[in-house]
Amino acid sequence: EAGVAQSPRYKIIEKRQSVAFWCNPISGHATLYWYQQILGQGPKLLIQFQNNGVVDDSQLPKDRFSAERLKGVDSTLKIQPAKLEDSAVYLCASSFGLAGVADTQYFGPGTRLTVL
Amino acid sequence: DQQVKQNSPSLSVQEGRISILNCDYTNSMFDYFLWYKKYPAEGPTFLISISSIKDKNEDGRFTVFLNKSAKHLSLHIVPSQPGDSAVYFCAASAYGNKLVFGAGTILRVKS
Repeated sequence: EAGVAQSPRYKIIEKRQSVAFWCNPISGHATLYWYQQILGQGPKLLIQFQNNGVVDDSQLPKDRFSAERLKGVDSTLKIQPAKLEDSAVYLCASSFGLAGVADTQYFGPGTRLTVL
Repeated sequence: DQQVKQNSPSLSVQEGRISILNCDYTNSMFDYFLWYKKYPAEGPTFLISISSIKDKNEDGRFTVFLNKSAKHLSLHIVPSQPGDSAVYFCAASAYGNKLVFGAGTILRVKS
């Protein structure tokens, strides 16, 4: 079974530029998550999708971050404009279960973003 | 507000001995707990989980213990192997909602 795929693996941009990350979850997984992991901290949820609907985006900085999962499969996360404090690893995860059901989340390798 | 805390940033253990990683939580609504392992440049890998209706779950060399009254979770690895050297994250959720992660503990297993 193929795991969660993410691209790119690394990205370096200057502040105020925009950037996009892509994620393809495990086949058949209804729920998709985007996390931000700052160095020395645990992952923090940015947004959770069930199929193509948003379940939780309470911690997404909506003035600069956006995400979509149009067909209920793969997803993109965008930052525009980027700030220095956005430097982090962006992790995508997926789970088979629906929102509200305790389930194991499986993570992709992440995209390491450096904002200069 | 850190709802999940891993107070030991690092732990060093001799190969073959037991590794014990600890995790404390403050939210009494948490009912599902997981441990993830993370190698450098990789995403977290699921290790083991436990529901709040249990106090112990085993999977091979890995055992997770849950003490609900103390709001404390621990992961035991016996025997520890050099390949276990990684960052270990404790995570918790309430009613299937978002996972809340601790900051992680770096485990080094010396051969």
